[in-house]
Amino acid sequence: KQEVTQIPAALSVPEGENLVLNCSFTDSAIYNLQWFRQDPGKGLTSLLLIQSSQREQTSGRLNASLDKSSGRSTLYIAASQPGDSATYLCAAISSGSARQLTFGSGTQLTVLP
Amino acid sequence: GAGVSQTPSNKVTEKGKYVELRCDPISGHTALYWYRQSLGQGPEFLIYFQGTGAADDSGLPNDRFFAVRPEGSVSTLKIQRTERGDSAVYLCASSYTPWDTDTQYFGPGTRLTVL
Repeated sequence: KQEVTQIPAALSVPEGENLVLNCSFTDSAIYNLQWFRQDPGKGLTSLLLIQSSQREQTSGRLNASLDKSSGRSTLYIAASQPGDSATYLCAAISSGSARQLTFGSGTQLTVLP
Repeated sequence: GAGVSQTPSNKVTEKGKYVELRCDPISGHTALYWYRQSLGQGPEFLIYFQGTGAADDSGLPNDRFFAVRPEGSVSTLKIQRTERGDSAVYLCASSYTPWDTDTQYFGPGTRLTVL
């Protein structure tokens, strides 16, 4: 059974800093890995989707990488802003699990002005 | 265009009561998913529909939970004899196809509180 872990659970950084969020998964047989953002009391917003054949995806100040062999993904946020404050969740779709996403518990990010 | 919508946004009920939660997916999306999120945790998969049929219901916790999608669009999650442990945010998502290249788009969720 796939398990997804995110460390740290919470992170606080000053505005302008570059930062990395970590995600690890136990089963390397994944179809894709997605990063989501969740604001308090809101649903999830998809940020990046990396297919199993890809190594990374970029969107604006965000860059996500995927290393299936080590069971790791990272989300890099450049020049962080207070508006980036939210909970970031990673999720994997594993082979043999239909289309269900297995989520980590998230990293709560606070960017201080 | 319109995103995934869920109603109600909040539902408070008493232990033992029956509740229905509704999800309107993005128009044209064939795949629909239900997840449940407890405080401080990531969402957990409940059930996935492809068209009108439940392709995977392995995440439903017990037989008190049931979901339907009779016309391949709107879906209703039904919970009988609610328990306090059912309190959570219930999230619905849809995707154009169930293929792994397709992003799942999430609704804002229904917060269920069982007193």
